[in-house]
Amino acid sequence: DGGITQSPKYLFRKEGQNVTLSCEQNLNHDAMYWYRQDPGQGLRLIYYSQIVNDFQKGDIAEGYSVSREKKESFPLTVTSAQKNPTAFYLCASTTGGSSPLHFGNGTRLTVT
Amino acid sequence: QKEVEQNSGPLSVPEGAIASLNCTYSDRVSQSFFWYRQYSGKSPELIMSIYSNGDKEDGRFTAQLNKASQYVSLLIRDSQPSDSATYLCAVNKRSFQKLVFGTGTRLLVSP
Repeated sequence: DGGITQSPKYLFRKEGQNVTLSCEQNLNHDAMYWYRQDPGQGLRLIYYSQIVNDFQKGDIAEGYSVSREKKESFPLTVTSAQKNPTAFYLCASTTGGSSPLHFGNGTRLTVT
Repeated sequence: QKEVEQNSGPLSVPEGAIASLNCTYSDRVSQSFFWYRQYSGKSPELIMSIYSNGDKEDGRFTAQLNKASQYVSLLIRDSQPSDSATYLCAVNKRSFQKLVFGTGTRLLVSP
């Protein structure tokens, strides 16, 4: 079955450590996205990528980094520079144009 | 002014009633509109897409778009307890998908 796989589902880290969240899709979608969701809030865009080897900052990119070396993969690194990293992270993809986004199951990151 | 606004709720309706969820957006050039359902602790799932003025029906769900008034709504007929979730409105301003999400409306359907 085609879909978007995020791993791990839960992630715990100590403050000051970098951590990488995985996102893989087998939908042959060109565009991929990372959103962050905090309790009681909407989704906020971190980074997005329209094609391989190209990506753009979203609204809250500070403290995050991404790469897009393969069409199927769009990993997100949460660096120690991110002041409030504890959140629910969602990866999404789309064919582009006016097509809707499809989401992975999310990774819940807790930093203590 | 937020780009996409929704009443946070909760909106409480009895089982079998019609639930009406509303969303307003600020950018007149917005082109495509989506409703997602999100259960607690889960990721959003697409319910409806709508691109032109008027109504679009899919089963128990009807999306309504009024670009002149800059609002989009979602009607859920014959509401079921399993419809209890947060409903997110998302708006795309450009041909490339860079969705802006509202904060969501929490719907509670009581048996």
